[in-house]
Amino acid sequence: SQQGEEDPQALSIQEGENATMNCSYKTSINNLQWYRQNSGRGLVHLILIRSNEREKHSGRLRVTLDTSKKSSSLLITASRAADTASYFCATDPENTDKLIFGTGTRLQVFP
Amino acid sequence: DAMVIQNPRYQVTQFGKPVTLSCSQTLNHNVMYWYQQKSSQAPKLLFHYYDKDFNNEADTPDNFQSRRPNTSFCFLDIRSPGLGDAAMYLCATSRVFGTGSTDTQYFGPGTRLTVL
Repeated sequence: SQQGEEDPQALSIQEGENATMNCSYKTSINNLQWYRQNSGRGLVHLILIRSNEREKHSGRLRVTLDTSKKSSSLLITASRAADTASYFCATDPENTDKLIFGTGTRLQVFP
Repeated sequence: DAMVIQNPRYQVTQFGKPVTLSCSQTLNHNVMYWYQQKSSQAPKLLFHYYDKDFNNEADTPDNFQSRRPNTSFCFLDIRSPGLGDAAMYLCATSRVFGTGSTDTQYFGPGTRLTVL
């Protein structure tokens, strides 16, 4: 069964604006990860946040995790046209050795 | 650079003709995964190997098989491809800790399968 749901499904913004994507999941997790996928390519890991962490930063990325609400958000600040891609959250459910991917958000950043 | 390699990048096969996709890694990770991804959808896990232990997802069709002859290589065999099997197939690797927690997954570039 699908673990993660993301919203919005699609997001269009102008360069320089911030982009926020949300992810909700269903079961207890060890960690939550965000990945990026350019069209027709493999996925690239962006950031991992553990279940005992609430916020994490990496460059222009900021991820939050609220385990009580079973939700996470990814914020991309000062977006660039090169950020255009699909973004997926993936959860690592407890007592498994696999990731379950969310439905993804397609981000389009216009120059 | 350590990496995950998939061959071929594009594969065309005929309806019902067996096809094998390959994946190799130089990361020495203990877990290898195969995902199927259709257009505009999330990657769907087909199965994974934890070392030599094979773990099949409950909804993976019997038409899909996998082999992992050693740590570095993993193969996806589609015994009788149907039109619905046309998709991108992604291989990924990861370290899994003794607690069952999964680390970052490293993905290959994918193989796009076309079924005629």
